Amino acid sequence: NAGVTQTPKFRVLKTGQSMTLLCAQDMNHEYMYWYRQDPGMGLRLIHYSVGEGTTAKGEVPDGYNVSRLKKQNFLLGLESAAPSQTSVYFCASSYSPLEGPQETQYFGPGTRLLVL
Amino acid sequence: GQSLEQPSEVTAVEGAIVQINCTYQTSGFYGLSWYQQHDGGAPTFLSYNALDGLEETGRFSSFLSRSDSYGYLLLQELQMKDSASYFCAVRPRGSTLGRLYFGRGTQLTVWP
Repeated sequence: NAGVTQTPKFRVLKTGQSMTLLCAQDMNHEYMYWYRQDPGMGLRLIHYSVGEGTTAKGEVPDGYNVSRLKKQNFLLGLESAAPSQTSVYFCASSYSPLEGPQETQYFGPGTRLLVL
Repeated sequence: GQSLEQPSEVTAVEGAIVQINCTYQTSGFYGLSWYQQHDGGAPTFLSYNALDGLEETGRFSSFLSRSDSYGYLLLQELQMKDSASYFCAVRPRGSTLGRLYFGRGTQLTVWP
């Protein structure tokens, strides 16, 4: 099993450009999450999904959109990138409450994004 | 909101024992989790305390005291490979199931 995978691993964007980050998991998890990590700030939740076709806002959702058309995939979109979105983006997944402890989240390797 | 406080840095030598504290201000939560993250890597789950007391997993132990709003991660017989960042996290009651709030992390450096 690959676990949680993310593409791309690294990307450079110019201000105003758009891009989509892809997250895929093969553990049949219901719940999926997008975080950003900045130096000294820990992990901050951008958006999350509790099942196929559902999404919800996290702590820092502005400037991002997400979609969960398939259970195994969770996409994060930046419509008009800004330098403040330079960060490392992590995707994670976890069981639903009926299946197991949700405190155990499985993270992907991350996407390093630089916005110039 | 949720507030989790951790020391920003801790240093120790190989073979030593180190304790990383996590204090929190939240009205109630399901449990306290710990994650490890090596430089350039992904966070990985270490331990979870649903109840007060000590949970042991090999060289690592985690402790929770709800009455003291306090928890810690204890690393014994430190090895160089333990140099990493460690994050505590809580899942507050009343929040959407599965949503975790993370502390800012503690950078552990292990010296030879």
